[in-house]
Amino acid sequence: DIQMTQSPSTLSAFVGDRVTITCRASQSIDRWLAWFQQKPGKAPVLIYRASTLQSGVPSRFSGRGSGTEFTLTISSLQPEDFATYYCQQYDSFPWTFGRGTKVEIK
Amino acid sequence: QIHLIQPPTEVKKPGASVTVSCKTSGYIFGDYSISWVRQAPGQGLEWMGWIRIYTGDPSRDTYYEQKFQGRVTMTTDTMTTTAYLELRSLTSDDTAVYYCARALYGDGIDFWGQGTLVTVSS
Repeated sequence: DIQMTQSPSTLSAFVGDRVTITCRASQSIDRWLAWFQQKPGKAPVLIYRASTLQSGVPSRFSGRGSGTEFTLTISSLQPEDFATYYCQQYDSFPWTFGRGTKVEIK
Repeated sequence: QIHLIQPPTEVKKPGASVTVSCKTSGYIFGDYSISWVRQAPGQGLEWMGWIRIYTGDPSRDTYYEQKFQGRVTMTTDTMTTTAYLELRSLTSDDTAVYYCARALYGDGIDFWGQGTLVTVSS
């Protein structure tokens, strides 16, 4: 199985900060990685897939990477961005998630 | 609009089985697959498996995470565009929110249902 290692597990930041979350795969997954945002009590929402920003997602979100190392960057953190973010590989079964990064208000 | 509608809650006793439904609408059911993901209270997302909407051999059209093999069955009903997850021999460790999600092999998950909280308690 492909292991997804996400860091940090928690991130404290101010509104307006630039933040970056990293996701590393235990083997190459080419570009087959998705990022999801989840707010408390809600279902996850797809924000990035295969280096493509999903429709309706603000352009302050950007995703980069291929192979084994990926990043999700929020260029200027907004109040509505405080949430937990998960990466997931869909290169091969079983699909696997990272453990999540909780972005908190500082 | 794409919708995946799940019942909000289910309560089961240890040892019982649960079947969670996922009624879809707003897209061509047969053009996508369904993936199931669960989330225990306060924990991360755990992928359970995948089923392709296909009327052929079920053994070719499902993939179950090894942890759940032998205890899980995923099915679909093309007439009602509904997917089902059956999980058997429940224990308290199965208490979680169970999500269905629209997916494509090679393209991942794009839309999620709102989740069904399955509580296993005596």
